Amino acid sequence: DMKVTQMPRYLIKRMGENVLLECGQDMSHETMYWYRQDPGLGLQLIYISYDVDSNSEGDIPKGYRVSRKKREHFSLILDSAKTNQTSVYFCASSQQGANERLFFGHGTKLSVL
Amino acid sequence: GQQVQQSPASLVLQEGENAELQCNFSTSLNSMQWFYQRPGGSLVSLFYNPSGTKQSGRLTSTTVIKERRSSLHISSSQTTDSGTYLCAMVRYAQGLTFGLGTRVSVFP
Repeated sequence: DMKVTQMPRYLIKRMGENVLLECGQDMSHETMYWYRQDPGLGLQLIYISYDVDSNSEGDIPKGYRVSRKKREHFSLILDSAKTNQTSVYFCASSQQGANERLFFGHGTKLSVL
Repeated sequence: GQQVQQSPASLVLQEGENAELQCNFSTSLNSMQWFYQRPGGSLVSLFYNPSGTKQSGRLTSTTVIKERRSSLHISSSQTTDSGTYLCAMVRYAQGLTFGLGTRVSVFP
């Protein structure tokens, strides 16, 4: 069906709590991405994953970690969330690399209070 | 500084008008992409890895990689074209670097 699904759509957490954002894709894409989008800063790459257990830091990895145990799933974990991690998080996938068409999920709006 | 510069930052159109959105890159690049973002929503790929001129419906992308620029032309705009248009450069093994976007508002 060519879809990237993100869960949850909205999340409110308190500072210091752990956060798990999940992303799934049904296209058997090798490459998956996590971005965050903030006003005035645009979309920034947090992590990129080339396949199962093959992950690489993006531009702003501090405070985040990722997990990819199955090709279809890519998780973003915030250990002890901070208020400056309030943002909209987007997951995306592409067949192999960024030269190819990227498919984005609908985003997760995270508020850390 | 911003590696991907988009102009204008915002644009107001009356339905039926044409528009030209610009994207300039401060570093050399191999490829780029155009996306449309619905208000408060997801991103949809419009053109990926374009070179020269490519058309999809009322949208035309013109890219000159060696001059580090690309433009997106919207013809006969419709209210459903409202949203933000983003361009991004492809970085080797590093995903995409995005511009801040052009917010387009089309009124009837």
